[in-house]
Amino acid sequence: AQSVTQLDSHVSVSEGTPVLLRCNYSSSYSPSLFWYVQHPNKGLQLLLKYTSAATLVKGINGFEAEFKKSETSFHLTKPSAHMSDAAEYFCVVIPIQTGANNLFFGTGTRLTVIP
Amino acid sequence: NAGVTQTPKFQVLKTGQSMTLQCAQDMNHEYMSWYRQDPGMGLRLIHYSVGAGITDQGEVPNGYNVSRSTTEDFPLRLLSAAPSQTSVYFCASSSRTVSMNTEAFFGQGTRLTVV
Repeated sequence: AQSVTQLDSHVSVSEGTPVLLRCNYSSSYSPSLFWYVQHPNKGLQLLLKYTSAATLVKGINGFEAEFKKSETSFHLTKPSAHMSDAAEYFCVVIPIQTGANNLFFGTGTRLTVIP
Repeated sequence: NAGVTQTPKFQVLKTGQSMTLQCAQDMNHEYMSWYRQDPGMGLRLIHYSVGAGITDQGEVPNGYNVSRSTTEDFPLRLLSAAPSQTSVYFCASSSRTVSMNTEAFFGQGTRLTVV
């Protein structure tokens, strides 16, 4: 069975301080892992994806995520938050051996950036 | 670079009315899917298709029908709308080959209100 747990429904940080959005996953197969961002009233945009080439993955807008198999985690970080980072973030798993690209979404983390 | 196009962007229906949400992609992707997004629940899979003529149910298929007559189009039909179907709907597409480089592309969403 596949599942994704985003540990915080809401995270609030001050501008210029680090961001940490937590994600844990469960997958019966080797997972493909993603973070998507959704700005208000917009669609979903890919931030980054884990491709097994490296456990530390760099994405757009200064975001990074580290795949830790022993902890089944894929936390999203950014060293310094910007006002434009305020959005909802989704951790997503695709179990790559099921033969269909069904995405399993976490429930989302809303990031608020305080000026 | 049209990507995934969803229409309409907004719709208000009365209970019992029917309508079709349109989704089209121009990337020659075999795999297409529909999700609904509800507060605190992330995105949940409604139906998906792995190619023309092939569809299957996702996590929350009740009240929705789909068909896939071409590679490009994957419409979602609500036969008799209910207030519980008030949601934001997203269409996604990706290549069929499941690999660590799989990425899903999303439309901009359809905000549906059933009164």
